[in-house]
Amino acid sequence: ELKVEQNPLFLSMQEGKNYTIYCNYSTTSDRLYWYRQDPGKSLESLFVLLSNGAVKQEGRLMASLDTKARLSTLHITAAVHDLSATYFCAVRFRNSGYALNFGKGTSLLVTP
Amino acid sequence: EAGVAQSPRYKIIEKRQSVAFWCNPISGHATLYWYQQILGQGPKLLIQFQNNGVVDDSQLPKDRFSAERLKGVDSTLKIQPAKLEDSAVYLCASSAGQSVQAFFGQGTRLTVV
Repeated sequence: ELKVEQNPLFLSMQEGKNYTIYCNYSTTSDRLYWYRQDPGKSLESLFVLLSNGAVKQEGRLMASLDTKARLSTLHITAAVHDLSATYFCAVRFRNSGYALNFGKGTSLLVTP
Repeated sequence: EAGVAQSPRYKIIEKRQSVAFWCNPISGHATLYWYQQILGQGPKLLIQFQNNGVVDDSQLPKDRFSAERLKGVDSTLKIQPAKLEDSAVYLCASSAGQSVQAFFGQGTRLTVV
């Protein structure tokens, strides 16, 4: 079965703190995406990770991929309120078509 | 570049009624997806088109849902008859090809009462 599991599902953190969101998936993937979704809005692509050991950074967000462990992380450094949103990881599994399989999302709230 | 356009943005219908959603993908994008996002969950693929052919509709409830992409450009998704559990946001996405990144529209929020 193709599964994508994120944790935590809810995260409340103070501004200035660091935290990591985890994404585990069930079988070999072709690529992994991280998306951001603001309330009532569509999905905004943040990162695409293609190979083992891939690391990408944009501002206070850094994503990494470990294909052997079937794990991706999204690390938040020195959080600010503007990062409050829901973050999804989405996996395209090898040999199962081209559609993305999404996790349930991590709802992040950054408080002063 | 214009993004993926969807309409309507919101729709409220009674159960057993029918409803249709429309999607206009980014110009030149051959691949089009319809996803269903139930509140509190991640999007789930309903159907994927490559040009005007269906690539994957394994998770489409075919007894009530139908979709078409005539001429390989715009697409419509129809629900008939709607059930309460169909309340969700319906997202359309498109990509230049099957192996490249998809861009999402703003979605249509459907409420079935």
